Order: sequence, then C-alpha cells, then structure tokens
Amino acid sequence: DIQMTQSPSSLSASVGDRVTITCRSSQDISNSLAWFQQKPGKAPKSLIYATSSLQTGVPSKFSGSGSGTDFTLTISSLQPEDFATYYCQQYKSYPFTFGPGTKVEIK
Amino acid sequence: DVQLVESGGGLVQPGGSLRLSCVGSGFMFSDQHMDWVRQAPGKGLEWVGRSRNDPNRRTTEYAASVRGRFTISRDDSKNSVYLQMNSLKTEDTAVYYCSRSTPGNIEDYWGQGTLVAVSS
Repeated sequence: DIQMTQSPSSLSASVGDRVTITCRSSQDISNSLAWFQQKPGKAPKSLIYATSSLQTGVPSKFSGSGSGTDFTLTISSLQPEDFATYYCQQYKSYPFTFGPGTKVEIK
Repeated sequence: DVQLVESGGGLVQPGGSLRLSCVGSGFMFSDQHMDWVRQAPGKGLEWVGRSRNDPNRRTTEYAASVRGRFTISRDDSKNSVYLQMNSLKTEDTAVYYCSRSTPGNIEDYWGQGTLVAVSS
C-alpha cells in the first residue's frame, strides 16, 4: 500500500497568514492527489483533485501543487472559516490512502 | 443539488453484522464510482472501499482491514450503494461516510455520515 505523510501535524496561524501544508507519498503517484478540509463534527469537504484542480465552488485562495511524491496545499490568506483539519489522499492505486491530517489552529 | 444520505448505523456486538445504505440524488448515479470512507472517534480518515461505475461488471475494491468481512454493492435503479459489514470488531467503530467519485475526479461530494458502534 502507498503510505501518505503530512507535515506539520498541526500549526498555529493568524488571520491573513499564508499557510502551506506538505504531503508526501511513499511511491510515485503522478498527480493523483486530492485535498480535503474537515471541521469538527462535519463531513469532509473536497477542495482539490488531480493535485491542483479546484472543486467547483472552492475559493481560489486554496491552491495545490506538486507531482510524483511531494505535494503542497497553500492557503493564501487564512480566514476564520479555514481553521480546520486538512487531509491529503492518493488515488493512484488501490487501496486509496489518506494522510494523517494537519490541524490548522488559531494563533 | 447533489445529495448523499447514509443510514443504517447503530450499536452492534462484536461478531455481529450491519448493513449501511447510501441514497444519492441530484446526479446520474449509475455514472459514478461510489466510495465508503470511515473515521474512528478522534482519528483520521480511512478509505474503506469502492463500487466502480462499470456498467458491465460492478467491480469492487477494499481496504485490507475490511477485505473478506465487508461487501459493497449497489442498486442503480434505487440510486443506492450499500455496505454489508460482517464479523464486526470493536476497531470498526467509526462514522461511515459514502461519497461519489466522478471518473477523473475523486470523492467530490460526501454524505453526512452514520455512526457504527461495535461494543458488548
């Protein structure tokens, strides 16, 4: 199975900050990488698929990049509604696997 | 609007069985892959399995942790996908989500989840 890691596991940031989360896969997954946002008690929300394609309705402050084994999610200007946990997921091969998550908290 | 609604969760004893259902609306159900993802209390997301949209043969994929115990099926005439869970273990306790994956995309819409608690 492909293992996914994320760093950092948590971070504290202020409103307006630029935030970057890193995701790494144990094998080359080309661009088959997605990002999800989850708030407490809620279902995950899809943000990005195919490394850098925004889902419909997702604001452009979210962006994704990378290829192969190293990927990033960037939030250009953190807003109060962005405080949540973020997960990456590879869907290059079965079984699909998620990263452990990155919790973004208010500083 | 796209909607996914899960049902069937509850409390079950170890070794027991439960069947979850997920009904979709607002989209062409038969065109979509349908996935199940779970989340144990206080833990991260774990992909459980998939029912492919192949109209000729409805193939499935599973995580190793559930293979041989869980079965995914679907009834496109009812816009529904099911997760039959047998030989349940305490570690299967989780909120179970269904999600759709349009070919070329992945899990773009999710249901609200249904809680399965395995305990004696």
